Amino acid sequence: QVQLQESGPGLVKPSETLSLTCTVSGGSISSYYWSWIRQPPGKGLEWIGYIYYSGSTNYNPSLKSRVTISVDTSKNQFSLKLRSVTAADTAMYYCARATDYGDFPDYMDVWGKGTTVTVSS
Amino acid sequence: QSVLTQPPSASGTPGQRVTISCSGSSSNIGSNYVYWYQQLPGTAPKLLIYRNNQRPSGVPDRFSGSKSGTSASLAISGLRSEDEANYYCAAWDDSLSGLFGGGTKLTVL
Repeated sequence: QVQLQESGPGLVKPSETLSLTCTVSGGSISSYYWSWIRQPPGKGLEWIGYIYYSGSTNYNPSLKSRVTISVDTSKNQFSLKLRSVTAADTAMYYCARATDYGDFPDYMDVWGKGTTVTVSS
Repeated sequence: QSVLTQPPSASGTPGQRVTISCSGSSSNIGSNYVYWYQQLPGTAPKLLIYRNNQRPSGVPDRFSGSKSGTSASLAISGLRSEDEANYYCAAWDDSLSGLFGGGTKLTVL
């Protein structure tokens, strides 16, 4: 059974870079889309972006200038970097797996438990 | 402001049938599949419905999804107290960006 686990600092200073890693266990990172989603306290879900196992990426247009998602297939991990963070980036960050449906992303069926990131000096 | 529009709240009594709507546009719901996720308090979202009306194994048939044009709906029949949660619709748009609705908080009275 595939499981995802987010890891990274829980506190990031304003203007610095938020860095998170998602480790995939119980299955291969191949042939899926791997997404990051965030949820500010008391608010709804926001899709940040995804990376296909081959390395192609797609980002939320509103975050595109600050986001980089990368994959390390040898470690079965993918990572998120969000630059120049502000308090508005404080949120629970989830990683999730989306299935590949005819070369397009489909449903997100496996989610990590999430990790809380606070942006504060 | 989410691109996919959901009512912020819904409610029902045990045993009732409740529906939650999700409105989008031709570039998202109108031309792509709709998904529904259930988020119980303090937990990660869980896939409830995929490709408009398909249920993953383990999801009770009390949950059903439908889509018409640029709108979609989630119906929950035989409402139970454990259904109290936030429900999110989602879709990919034509540029393959992921979209979520703002979420609907379902209260079981």
